This record gives sequence, structure tokens and C-alpha cells, in this order.
Amino acid sequence: GAGVSQSPSNKVTEKGKDVELRCDPISGHTALYWYRQSLGQGLEFLIYFQGNSAPDKSGLPSDRFSAERTGGSVSTLTIQRTQQEDSAVYLCASSGGQGRGYEQYFGPGTRLTVT
Amino acid sequence: AQSVTQPDIHITVSEGASLELRCNYSYGATPYLFWYVQSPGQGLQLLLKYFSGDTLVQGIKGFEAEFKRSQSSFNLRKPSVHWSDAAEYFCAVHTSGTYKYIFGTGTRLKVLA
Repeated sequence: GAGVSQSPSNKVTEKGKDVELRCDPISGHTALYWYRQSLGQGLEFLIYFQGNSAPDKSGLPSDRFSAERTGGSVSTLTIQRTQQEDSAVYLCASSGGQGRGYEQYFGPGTRLTVT
Repeated sequence: AQSVTQPDIHITVSEGASLELRCNYSYGATPYLFWYVQSPGQGLQLLLKYFSGDTLVQGIKGFEAEFKRSQSSFNLRKPSVHWSDAAEYFCAVHTSGTYKYIFGTGTRLKVLA
């Protein structure tokens, strides 16, 4: 079956512009995560969605970052007024939840470059 | 707060040599433990996981890991490294009752021919 997909794979944007990053999780997975991976850094948790529950936004670095998940499936991460420090690889992952072993399945990521 | 430590940022080994990557966690109860591998330009792939039971777990690509409660460790091992194992390796902890994962900062493995 299809894995987690993300688009675009690469995005170059000018400082101050808004960007939208898309994640399409594995069908049936109830949990969806966004992470940020900066050069030489580990994975920084941004936000997760679980079913119809309110998302955990505790990792979002500023109010310029927001995310939504429509219909319990596709998710969009939006960064407003991008800054150079937002340059990173943004990873999305989905998980089937407790009954399916908790493991996460990752997408290939979106490399964001802010010039 | 829960945390995961991977003390080695970079490791270099010769092809055919054995490998051990260290991972220590901080959590009161037994967590769910994972090792992921990220090859250049790729997403993360699960190597193995530990939930309960036998403390030595086998994974893909010939990797294994051993959970040691007394040391709060979950070290990854491979008896003979192949050049294709060059990648970045992440240890992760998943605490029960939530869906949140905590990742270590990763260990970058270089393999010498």
C-alpha cells in the first residue's frame, strides 16, 4: 500500500512569504505528526493530531506556525512570514495508534529553504 | 521530563567491524523504545522496537538492540557493518498513555571501505 507522502519535496521561498506544506498519511492511521529537522539536529516535535481530539500544538515554535488536518486525513502545515531560521526539512509521520504497535511511518520530507 | 540521549554524534567504523550505538532514556516506567535509520535524502525507517518481553530484539538489516532497565539503555548493535549502513540513526521513546514520541539527536555513522 501507499506510504506517507509529502509535497512539495523541495520549496524555496523568499523571507516574509507564506508557505504551505502538505502531508498525506497512510489510510486509516489516526495519529499524524509534524517534525522539523534542522541541519545537524535531531527531530523537533511540532504538532500532532489524534483522531478527533484537539491537536497537541506544544511544539510549534511561534504563532507563525499553524497546522490543520481535514477530515482526519490530509494535513497542512502553514508557516507565515517565513524567516531564514525556518529553513529545515519538515517531516510528517503517521501512526495507527495503540492497537497497531505505536510505530510511526515517515514521509520523505519537505526541504524548505528561505532566502 | 522524558528525554533521550545519544551521546555519540559521529561514529566511524570499518566495513566488517562490529557496531554499537548508544541510547539512554529518562522515564519513570518502561517506555516503548525504537531505533530508526535515515539514509541520505530519505525519510526515517524503523529498524526495530521494544515494547515488552525479551529484552533482546531483532530488527531489519541484521540489527539488534538490547533493553537494559538497570542502565536505562537501549543500545543498537550489528556484528558486521556493511558500507550501505552509513546513515544517521535515531533512538526514540514513546511513553504510554500518549501519542508523543521523543527522539534523540541522532548518531551519524560513517563506514570506511
